[in-house]
Amino acid sequence: ELKVEQNPLFLSMQEGKNYTIYCNYSTTSDRLYWYRQDPGKSLESLFVLLSNGAVKQEGRLMASLDTKARLSTLHITAAVHDLSATYFCAVDGLIQGAQKLVFGQGTRLTINP
Amino acid sequence: NAGVTQTPKFQVLKTGQSMTLQCAQDMNHEYMSWYRQDPGMGLRLIHYSVGAGITDQGEVPNGYNVSRSTTEDFPLRLLSAAPSQTSVYFCASSRTGYYGYTFGSGTRLTVV
Repeated sequence: ELKVEQNPLFLSMQEGKNYTIYCNYSTTSDRLYWYRQDPGKSLESLFVLLSNGAVKQEGRLMASLDTKARLSTLHITAAVHDLSATYFCAVDGLIQGAQKLVFGQGTRLTINP
Repeated sequence: NAGVTQTPKFQVLKTGQSMTLQCAQDMNHEYMSWYRQDPGMGLRLIHYSVGAGITDQGEVPNGYNVSRSTTEDFPLRLLSAAPSQTSVYFCASSRTGYYGYTFGSGTRLTVV
């Protein structure tokens, strides 16, 4: 069974600071996704990581993937208030012969002025 | 190109009532799925389909039925709603063999 765990689940930080959200998963997978969700909204795709060592950056967010450790990180640099949201990682792959996308619990990020 | 369309956006049901949540996509995606989102639990897979006529259970299928008569539509049926089914429901689709999922805007369901 594929399990995906994020930590921390809640993160309150000040503007200008750096922080990292961690995503661990339990079995080999083809793809890892990071999504952002604002309150009352749907999921917005941020990154898709397809191979070991993959690194992608968009603005103040950078995601990386270590398939050997089964770990992905989402690093936030010099946080700004607009990045306040809930962030999900999700792992995609064949589970018992079927394609399934399994989500972590989400990290609620609050950035204070 | 509308993507994934979910209706309704909001619904209040009484315990024991039935209803169908609609999901339609116009991208000719083979794979479609339903998730429910509850606080602190992320999104959990209810049912999924890899093509017309083929459906299977996900992590939390109890209390829900699905069918896939066309490539475009994947309705989720609640036969006898229970308060435990109060949640936000998302439909997602994907093209088999490719990466990337398209999510609908969600349906917020309250069962009283």
